[in-house]
Amino acid sequence: GAGVSQSPSNKVTEKGKDVELRCDPISGHTALYWYRQSLGQGLEFLIYFQGNSAPDKSGLPSDRFSAERTGGSVSTLTIQRTQQEDSAVYLCASSGTSVGELFFGEGSRLTVL
Amino acid sequence: AQSVTQPDIHITVSEGASLELRCNYSYGATPYLFWYVQSPGQGLQLLLKYFSGDTLVQGIKGFEAEFKRSQSSFNLRKPSVHWSDAAEYFCAVGAAGGGTSYGKLTFGQGTILTVHP
Repeated sequence: GAGVSQSPSNKVTEKGKDVELRCDPISGHTALYWYRQSLGQGLEFLIYFQGNSAPDKSGLPSDRFSAERTGGSVSTLTIQRTQQEDSAVYLCASSGTSVGELFFGEGSRLTVL
Repeated sequence: AQSVTQPDIHITVSEGASLELRCNYSYGATPYLFWYVQSPGQGLQLLLKYFSGDTLVQGIKGFEAEFKRSQSSFNLRKPSVHWSDAAEYFCAVGAAGGGTSYGKLTFGQGTILTVHP
């Protein structure tokens, strides 16, 4: 597709369940980023993949959060044993040859009941 | 640690008026600075960026920003606001670790812009 695609756009889950959020970056973009946007914390960096290098996980808030990127393309963010404070919009972005520009998807809104 | 402050949570202007959104940053070296805009229900879109060189940078949609090292500021300006500019604006600083680490952004809290006809 032409832009960054994220799914699902909305996810409602019960506390304690695991969720997976998917990001399909722009074709050819080597860098992929996950961010979280919440009312209380604003926009926060979570994790960053660059090519085949080990990901920068420095923004993950707890060990319940993990992410992988398969084949240098699609990425999945997994949240285990979800808590109510995990409710937020999770944004994915990718970056390619246009130095300094991140292209963001529309996000996955997660609601934990 | 780097940080970004946007002092104004909400700004209201009339259509056709000029606009300035404030941004102050804290960073140990020459920063990579960005302004992004987010319309309701949309992802973020890059308006402009500063990496080095000319301190006055031009962006899309008629926006510009000026990097002032002495004031640790990177304010966004537009001479004449259009109703379609109503959105939330985020200032961000990127890590200068090389490669694409500039995308590891620290965002300000955002400024909501309302435009009155």
